[in-house]
Amino acid sequence: GENVEQHPSTLSVQEGDSAVIKCTYSDSASNYFPWYKQELGKGPQLIIDIRSNVGEKKDQRIAVTLNKTAKHFSLHITETQPEDSAVYFCAASILMGLTDNNNDMRFGAGTRLTVKP
Amino acid sequence: DSGVTQTPKHLITATGQRVTLRCSPRSGDLSVYWYQQSLDQGLQFLIHYYNGEERAKGNILERFSAQQFPDLHSELNLSSLELGDSALYFCASSSLLGDEQFFGPGTRLTVL
Repeated sequence: GENVEQHPSTLSVQEGDSAVIKCTYSDSASNYFPWYKQELGKGPQLIIDIRSNVGEKKDQRIAVTLNKTAKHFSLHITETQPEDSAVYFCAASILMGLTDNNNDMRFGAGTRLTVKP
Repeated sequence: DSGVTQTPKHLITATGQRVTLRCSPRSGDLSVYWYQQSLDQGLQFLIHYYNGEERAKGNILERFSAQQFPDLHSELNLSSLELGDSALYFCASSSLLGDEQFFGPGTRLTVL
């Protein structure tokens, strides 16, 4: 099955700096790669996702890049703010729509990001 | 607010007991996923239901079971509880298989 590895496990940056979190996956059939942010006491919330037919996607200060050949994808946060402090999870899954009956998401172990003011 | 609700928010019980966690998906979502998150651990996929049918199983113990009812809410049953079962249990829902998953606030289970 799919195995997702995530690095680093902790990341501390100064406010205004950039933060990069990297993930690798093992199943070449995976085609959907979401990133989730989990704040203390809350459930994970999707912040950005990318599909395998796209190499990069950007949403304001957040961007995700995907290298299908190397089977890795990264989250980039620019101009970090204290409210970006949280645990971030990458995940990988296979989207096959309604015809598939064995579809689940595998998560990385998470990265605890601390943005120091 | 994701639109996914989970009850109860907290649950404290003793070893050997059985508990039931409940999840109501977002309106219109047919898929429900269950995850376990232990302290300082990532999210471990347990099981996925789509429109009442089991679609995928992950690292779910035989002591655990789940079902999805005709009104699409789901229940996760945990029996013969052990100390190691203490964790946060999340459910998530999506409208298509494997599409964007919306997570509930979780149920924190403490086994004493």
